[in-house]
Amino acid sequence: EAQVTQNPRYLITVTGKKLTVTCSQNMNHEYMSWYRQDPGLGLRQIYYSMNVEVTDKGDVPEGYKVSRKEKRNFPLILESPSPNQTSLYFCASSLVRGRTDTQYFGPGTRLTVL
Amino acid sequence: AQSVAQPEDQVNVAEGNPLTVKCTYSVSGNPYLFWYVQYPNRGLQFLLKYITGDNLVKGSYGFEAEFNKSQTSFHLKKPSALVSDSALYFCAVRDGGRNAGNMLTFGGGTRLMVKP
Repeated sequence: EAQVTQNPRYLITVTGKKLTVTCSQNMNHEYMSWYRQDPGLGLRQIYYSMNVEVTDKGDVPEGYKVSRKEKRNFPLILESPSPNQTSLYFCASSLVRGRTDTQYFGPGTRLTVL
Repeated sequence: AQSVAQPEDQVNVAEGNPLTVKCTYSVSGNPYLFWYVQYPNRGLQFLLKYITGDNLVKGSYGFEAEFNKSQTSFHLKKPSALVSDSALYFCAVRDGGRNAGNMLTFGGGTRLMVKP
């Protein structure tokens, strides 16, 4: 089944404790992206990647890191999480680089930083 | 900078009635416009998109959207609402200009409530 998977689905952590949220897609998509969803703000793009070893900042990259060492994986890293990073996070992917492409979303990761 | 506005936080409609969820956008170049739906505890699902061509775009589950360049709008519509259409709807835009980046910008979302 074609899908985007994220792990973990739920995470409660404390300020300053490094964490990684994994994202993997099995559709051989080139483009991958991370978003955070907050009430009233919709989805805001954190980082995106056009291909392996190519990443770019989105709207709200501060406090986040990403890497794209393999085509299928695009982990989101919070080196020192803070309470304002409490949010619902979505990973997404699309087939090719074109800006017309539809994105496929993972199920989401709900992160709480205490 | 590109932006999307969904002016209504919530839209209430009776089952069987037509529904409209509003979206306006701002981009420098030609817009690529998308609608996504989010059901409770689920990720976003693609509904439809406008890239070029016919201004009326048909999508999944009987939804359609009309691109209006002069009003910079891309309202989502359905002729007859179902209770199962109740969900959170997001409009999104990408700038199709030659030198534009690849960011996809979402609106704040509109919650659609369809009552029996």
